[in-house]
Amino acid sequence: KQEVTQIPAALSVPEGENLVLNCSFTDSAIYNLQWFRQDPGKGLTSLLLIQSSQREQTSGRLNASLDKSSGRSTLYIAASQPGDSATYLCAVTLGSNYKLTFGKGTLLTVNP
Amino acid sequence: SQTIHQWPATLVQPVGSPLSLECTVEGTSNPNLYWYRQAAGRGLQLLFYSVGIGQISSEVPQNLSASRPQDRQFILSSKKLLLSDSGFYLCAWSKGLAKNIQYFGAGTRLSVL
Repeated sequence: KQEVTQIPAALSVPEGENLVLNCSFTDSAIYNLQWFRQDPGKGLTSLLLIQSSQREQTSGRLNASLDKSSGRSTLYIAASQPGDSATYLCAVTLGSNYKLTFGKGTLLTVNP
Repeated sequence: SQTIHQWPATLVQPVGSPLSLECTVEGTSNPNLYWYRQAAGRGLQLLFYSVGIGQISSEVPQNLSASRPQDRQFILSSKKLLLSDSGFYLCAWSKGLAKNIQYFGAGTRLSVL
């Protein structure tokens, strides 16, 4: 059974700091991995999708890396801003099917 | 462009009462539709999945049911709510072979008291 773990559960940083969020998964035979953002009381917004054959994806100040063999992914946020404050969720799929397995998320607070 | 709507946004219901949450998708046809629950301290859990009208797959045994009466409408129901049904319910859709690229609604916060 695939399990996804995100560390830390919560993170508080001052504005402008670069930071890394971690995601690990137990079954390395993933099809892809996604990072989502969830604002309080809101739905999920997809940030980055990394296919199993890729090592990283970038979107603006966000960079996600994937090391499939070790079962790890990181989300790097450069020059953090208060507007980045949210919960960040990692999700993996084992095949090209519908089943996303989510971690519990990292609650990020960026202080002005 | 495609949009997904969920309502209500917030709901407070007594134990034993019925439940009906609705989700509709606009701007696409034949979407795959999903219901997730996010309970306190737990990750998102997939509850139901539908590939077409009247076709529902249940992922976990529970007190809830789902129906898809129209192509772009997905309903989550319960005949008698339990305290453990409290949580944040999210509807999502995907298209075609890219089933794992899912787009989420704004969610419904359900409190069962």
